[in-house]
Formats: sequence, structure tokens, C-alpha cells
Amino acid sequence: DSGVTQTPKHLITATGQRVTLRCSPRSGDLSVYWYQQSLDQGLQFLIQYYNGEERAKGNILERFSAQQFPDLHSELNLSSLELGDSALYFCASSVVSRGDYNEQFFGPGTRLTVL
Amino acid sequence: AQSVTQLDSHVSVSEGTPVLLRCNYSSSYSPSLFWYVQHPNKGLQLLLKYTSAATLVKGINGFEAEFKKSETSFHLTKPSAHMSDAAEYFCVVTSNTGNQFYFGTGTSLTVIP
Repeated sequence: DSGVTQTPKHLITATGQRVTLRCSPRSGDLSVYWYQQSLDQGLQFLIQYYNGEERAKGNILERFSAQQFPDLHSELNLSSLELGDSALYFCASSVVSRGDYNEQFFGPGTRLTVL
Repeated sequence: AQSVTQLDSHVSVSEGTPVLLRCNYSSSYSPSLFWYVQHPNKGLQLLLKYTSAATLVKGINGFEAEFKKSETSFHLTKPSAHMSDAAEYFCVVTSNTGNQFYFGTGTSLTVIP
């Protein structure tokens, strides 16, 4: 158990809908990262937050957004969902924002199915 | 730009024989490199990391990796495979700020009894 929790575990929804995925980092970790894992694209970095502020952006679509709250939990919002958004979404956390000691701890993931 | 190439998408070994999972990286600076393992329907677990200290890195469950700058490689090895090693393995290189992880496409390891 990494100490990172994600809810829900599974989510099934329809095209055009909006969903919110939630992540609680390990106690003491200030950085939260979101990743998408799909069969055709592999594991892709979406976005990073550090202590409430956006720190780095990867291959995140404009239909997707995220935020990190004062209690350090984070939410990933996916809107106008398309079939291709079906994937496993991982959250990870780490203690620091940058530097050598940047090991990330991953949650169990949320499996999103868009029908 | 940073990237990793995992040279084998699937590797099959017999239980008790050595494991070699190959990873080459591309980076314009001295990178941090990681190996993560993903068991079916589970999240990713850190196996080991290289962060510019010793070039031979020991990880959990008997795994090791050697950083070879001249060959831009970071291959993962284990002397003797166990059935519980069957999983997907990912090689990862970080951005120069350490913020972003760039994942390889993964190597699926099968262990034959």
C-alpha cells in the first residue's frame, strides 16, 4: 500500500458527460501528479500540482482540468467525454517539487469507461 | 528532450533463471532513472532508482540495475526469477527539473513454472 488513495475505483459513464476523479496524497507529500494509462498511448503524464499550485503540464487535453485543495487532495475533472478517454487514471505523490529525491508513489488508479 | 526505449515488449523466462529487461534512455542532462513494476490490476510500485550516486543500484525483491552512461542504458536484472515477478515493468526518466516522468512503453514479464 503506497499511502496514496484514489476514488472511485471504477467509473462508467456516457460520451459527453463530465466526471471528477479524486486523489489523496501520502501524508506529508506536497506534490500530486496525474497520469493516464491507455493501451494505445501507454502511461502519459498529465499535470502536476505542488502545494496548491500548478507546477508542470504534460499531455493534458483542454477538456481536462485539475486542482489541488488546501488539504492537499487533488481532483481531476474530465468533461465532454469521448470514447477515447477510456483509460486508467493514476495519481501519484511525492515529498518535493523537484530535485534528485523525486520518487513518486502511485495510487491504485481509477478505471474510467466511456460508453 | 527526454525519452526511454524499452527494447522488449515481452520477455519470457523460466522460474529460477536470470531476468534481463532492457532500457535505453535519451537525455540532454544527467537524468534520474527509475524502474517501476505494475502487477495486474494494481498501481505502480517503485523497484529502484538511480540519482547520480552509485551506478549499480539495488532495489526490492532482488532486482538490480546498472547505469551505463557510455551506453545510455539502465537495464534491470535479477539472478533468479520467481513466479511472483510476473508483471509489467516500466523504465522511467525524469525531466531536468524532476517534475515530469517519461515512461517507457513497458515490458511484460512472463515466468514459466
